[in-house]
Amino acid sequence: GAGVSQTPSNKVTEKGKYVELRCDPISGHTALYWYRQSLGQGPEFLIYFQGTGAADDSGLPNDRFFAVRPEGSVSTLKIQRTERGDSAVYLCASSWETSGETDTQYFGPGTRLTVL
Amino acid sequence: AQTVTQSQPEMSVQEAETVTLSCTYDTSESDYYLFWYKQPPSRQMILVIRQEAYKQQNATENRFSVNFQKAAKSFSLKISDSQLGDAAMYFCAYTRGSTLGRLYFGRGTQLTVWP
Repeated sequence: GAGVSQTPSNKVTEKGKYVELRCDPISGHTALYWYRQSLGQGPEFLIYFQGTGAADDSGLPNDRFFAVRPEGSVSTLKIQRTERGDSAVYLCASSWETSGETDTQYFGPGTRLTVL
Repeated sequence: AQTVTQSQPEMSVQEAETVTLSCTYDTSESDYYLFWYKQPPSRQMILVIRQEAYKQQNATENRFSVNFQKAAKSFSLKISDSQLGDAAMYFCAYTRGSTLGRLYFGRGTQLTVWP
């Protein structure tokens, strides 16, 4: 079956602009995660959805970052007033999430965001 | 707070030889999961192996195996019969055994495989 897909693969924008990054999870996966990976670092957690609701958004760095998952499938990460420090690879992952069991997260190829 | 430490920024191995990548973690939880992910230049994070903390037996997946030392909070990855395709960045990751499945990653180890 298809894996996690992310679009666009690369995004170049100017400081101050608004961007949207899209994630299509594996069909049937109820949990969806966003991570940010800066150069030379491991991924850092941003937000986690269980279904349509954000179960944990404690990793969002500030109020310029927002994410939605309106129908419990596709998710969009939105960044307002982008700054050069937002430049990174944004990774999306999805998993089954059955009660009392933590399942493996499967990752997409990421979106490389460059803010000039 | 949960932290994951990979103390080897870079490692190298000759093709067909064995290499071990180190990982330590810090947690006060008793129920958790540990993972090794591989990230080649394509950026795609690929699961290599997974270990449940409640299982004493070390996980094995073909040429990949782990040495899980729960008391020492150590989780090393052994790659046997290394292949050129094993060259990648390897990340150790931790998650609590609950529905809050956020992963905590180490900084990674870049593995080079020489022919």
